Amino acid sequence: NAGVTQTPKFQVLKTGQSMTLQCAQDMNHNSMYWYRQDPGMGLRLIYYSASEGTTDKGEVPNGYNVSRLNKREFSLRLESAAPSQTSVYFCASSGQAGDTIYFGEGSWLTVV
Amino acid sequence: TQLLEQSPQFLSIQEGENLTVYCNSSSVFSSLQWYRQEPGEGPVLLVTVVTGGEVKKLKRLTFQFGDARKDSSLHITAAQPGDTGLYLCAGETGGFKTIFGAGTRLFVKA
Repeated sequence: NAGVTQTPKFQVLKTGQSMTLQCAQDMNHNSMYWYRQDPGMGLRLIYYSASEGTTDKGEVPNGYNVSRLNKREFSLRLESAAPSQTSVYFCASSGQAGDTIYFGEGSWLTVV
Repeated sequence: TQLLEQSPQFLSIQEGENLTVYCNSSSVFSSLQWYRQEPGEGPVLLVTVVTGGEVKKLKRLTFQFGDARKDSSLHITAAQPGDTGLYLCAGETGGFKTIFGAGTRLFVKA
């Protein structure tokens, strides 16, 4: 079972470059999320989409944009990458608020 | 700002030992979840506790939610190398903003 699939797995960017992380889920979930995970800081919510057609800011949205393309897909865009955005990014989904959150395998992003 | 503090941050033990990790907050949560994350993978849900004082068991793992729903503990009996990983607690406050702790990194030596 695929669950939550995110690409790319690894990416190195130069400061100022842009890129989009792609995410898709096949569980017919309403809600999707983007988190970043940094050592000693746990998972922090960047943006979420409660349902198709809506997006909202999480705890650390600055420097990021998102698009809920359809019910399955939720992308995260870095318009002008900065070294502070070096992190592991996780896409996740759930049926609705409070339901079990299912995570993708992560995307390792390094900005030099 | 709501915070979930996990302790200890790191734990290295011998196979067969018991251990307890803690998750504490000054905030009340409607539910609390424990996840386990292995290197190179995303977190995977182990259990959700909802009621204050609730105890749930999953094989050798025992999870407890504090009476006031502000804290939780995870106890592992007779740890095995396969238990090695990062254990994360996460508190639900209602809505979509689940709060995650920084995790306890457990290493069980054979």
